[in-house]
Amino acid sequence: GQQLNQSPQSMFIQEGEDVSMNCTSSSIFNTWLWYKQDPGEGPVLLIALYKAGELTSNGRLTAQFGITRKDSFLNISASIPSDVGIYFCAGLGNAGGTSYGKLTFGQGTILTVHP
Amino acid sequence: DAGVIQSPRHEVTEMGQEVTLRCKPISGHDYLFWYRQTMMRGLELLIYFNNNVPIDDSGMPEDRFSAKMPNASFSTLKIQPSEPRDSAVYFCASSLGATLHGRYTFGSGTRLTVV
Repeated sequence: GQQLNQSPQSMFIQEGEDVSMNCTSSSIFNTWLWYKQDPGEGPVLLIALYKAGELTSNGRLTAQFGITRKDSFLNISASIPSDVGIYFCAGLGNAGGTSYGKLTFGQGTILTVHP
Repeated sequence: DAGVIQSPRHEVTEMGQEVTLRCKPISGHDYLFWYRQTMMRGLELLIYFNNNVPIDDSGMPEDRFSAKMPNASFSTLKIQPSEPRDSAVYFCASSLGATLHGRYTFGSGTRLTVV
């Protein structure tokens, strides 16, 4: 089935630093999304991307949908302690494919922010 | 809205026992998803429903797992008999219209431990 390769697996940064993480796939996705999971909770949607090349911001977060539709990145600027958590990329399968309508998640990037 | 409600939050059971996990989706949402999260396999889609009808159960690991959605406001995931390898966090998510958009709202999950 479709798989997403997310990197890095973990990051340890100082408060105020910028963060960048990315996700690649061997398959094309029509939609890329980024979710964040806090400890003991379910993932929460941060940003959704629907067009190849699209660049979208949500506060200090910026995400881009790759031109090839096989990759996406997420940047966090000026990190703060509450940015701690697991960040997941997710891709939505194409119409007509066996994965249509299914959201496939990457393995996650664990972010730790030191005050 | 109270969001997606899952119960129980934690479940500890002995191997061989039946386990039932419950989910109340957001009112008006017409898609419901069951995911399982483990360290080794990440977030895996088990099954999803549209308008209470199961659409894709290809992620259900084996016949010991079953899911039902008797009405628009309630779904169950049952494991019978349970095994230690079923230990994981099980998430329910719901969305409106929208496997096409990937905008899922997740519950807080049920942490299942089978001893």
